[in-house]
Amino acid sequence: TQLLEQSPQFLSIQEGENLTVYCNSSSVFSSLQWYRQEPGEGPVLLVTVVTGGEVKKLKRLTFQFGDARKDSSLHITAAQPGDTGLYLCAGVGGTGGFKTIFGAGTRLFVKA
Amino acid sequence: NAGVTQTPKFQVLKTGQSMTLQCAQDMNHEYMSWYRQDPGMGLRLIHYSVGAGITDQGEVPNGYNVSRSTTEDFPLRLLSAAPSQTSVYFCASSYSNNEQFFGPGTRLTVL
Repeated sequence: TQLLEQSPQFLSIQEGENLTVYCNSSSVFSSLQWYRQEPGEGPVLLVTVVTGGEVKKLKRLTFQFGDARKDSSLHITAAQPGDTGLYLCAGVGGTGGFKTIFGAGTRLFVKA
Repeated sequence: NAGVTQTPKFQVLKTGQSMTLQCAQDMNHEYMSWYRQDPGMGLRLIHYSVGAGITDQGEVPNGYNVSRSTTEDFPLRLLSAAPSQTSVYFCASSYSNNEQFFGPGTRLTVL
């Protein structure tokens, strides 16, 4: 069974602080996606990383895919209250074929 | 485009009742999936479909049936509802194995 472990599960920080969320697995994936979910809504894709070692930046968010394509990280610089939400990583492909496996999520709260 | 739509938004059932959660997409996506989301457990795949007439089981298929008679629609049927099926259900669609577009969810409570 493929598993994706996210850490930390919950993070409460002050506006302006930096943070990193981790997503780890023992399985290799074809690609890894990061989604953000607001209360009462479905997840929305932030980024997809495909190549081992790949780094993608989205304004203050930096995403990295591990060299072995088993893990990923999301780093937020100078967090803002608008960053508050549930961040989910999702492994695509691998031994699961089409199936996408989601991590349990990291709930981020940024205080003004 | 409406994207992915789900009905109803909220539903309360009694144990043993059956019901169908509706999902429709207007993006002509081949792939559609049903997930359930429970606190601390992320999204777990129930059933998925890679095209009309083709469905397969995900991680937690027991107690649920699906069919895909058209590209647009992918209903999820609860055969005999149980309290363990209390959850938020999300339908998603995608073109191949790319970005999944999620519906707004159905919050189901089984008493």
